[in-house]
Amino acid sequence: EVQLVESGGGLVQPGGSLRLSCAASGFTFSSYSMNWVRQAPGKGLEWVSYISSSSSTIYYADSVKGRFTISRDNAKNSLYLQMNSLRDEDTAVYYCARDRTHGGLFWGQGTLVTVSS
Amino acid sequence: AIQMTQSPSSLSASVGDRVTITCRASQGIRNDLGWYQQKPGKAPKLLIYAASSLQSGVPSRFSGSGSGTDFTLTISSLQPEDFATYYCLQDYNYPRTFGQGTKLEIK
Repeated sequence: EVQLVESGGGLVQPGGSLRLSCAASGFTFSSYSMNWVRQAPGKGLEWVSYISSSSSTIYYADSVKGRFTISRDNAKNSLYLQMNSLRDEDTAVYYCARDRTHGGLFWGQGTLVTVSS
Repeated sequence: AIQMTQSPSSLSASVGDRVTITCRASQGIRNDLGWYQQKPGKAPKLLIYAASSLQSGVPSRFSGSGSGTDFTLTISSLQPEDFATYYCLQDYNYPRTFGQGTKLEIK
């Protein structure tokens, strides 16, 4: 069974840092590109970042560029999102999502990040 | 970035109704579009990929159509479990962009 399990969310002060992890199982992690998507409370979905299967290609949303860093460890079947200089508006549920071969995303259950003093 | 304009933003309907949700892309995206259903407190679930392909396990009352800039999600006969929020997402390029969402409520 394909599974994506996010962890690392929590409460952090503005200006602080947090590292999210996503543990993948049930598929060959190293063969798939991955994404982070977030959803602020009561709001819509916002794509955050993409990393190709080999980490050779990376993209970021303008809203996080220069502050967030996506990475992966194919040996550990894990995806990461290092979040620095956090702002109130980064408060959201963060989802790890796998690209599907023929289109669309498969999603984890999400982890909540709250940025507040 | 490609803008995805989804309408309506909310919709009231009854069990058994046929409903249609649309997404318009600001430029052509071939058929690189997916539709997702999200229930409160849950992750989004893929319903339709490549504009018109039904994801395995999704009831056949869901269908998608369109290509280029205009896309439609249709639910042929609403069931109680279909009341949720629906989003489109373009897979054509990065940054990926979502529609604003359509909240489907019980009339």
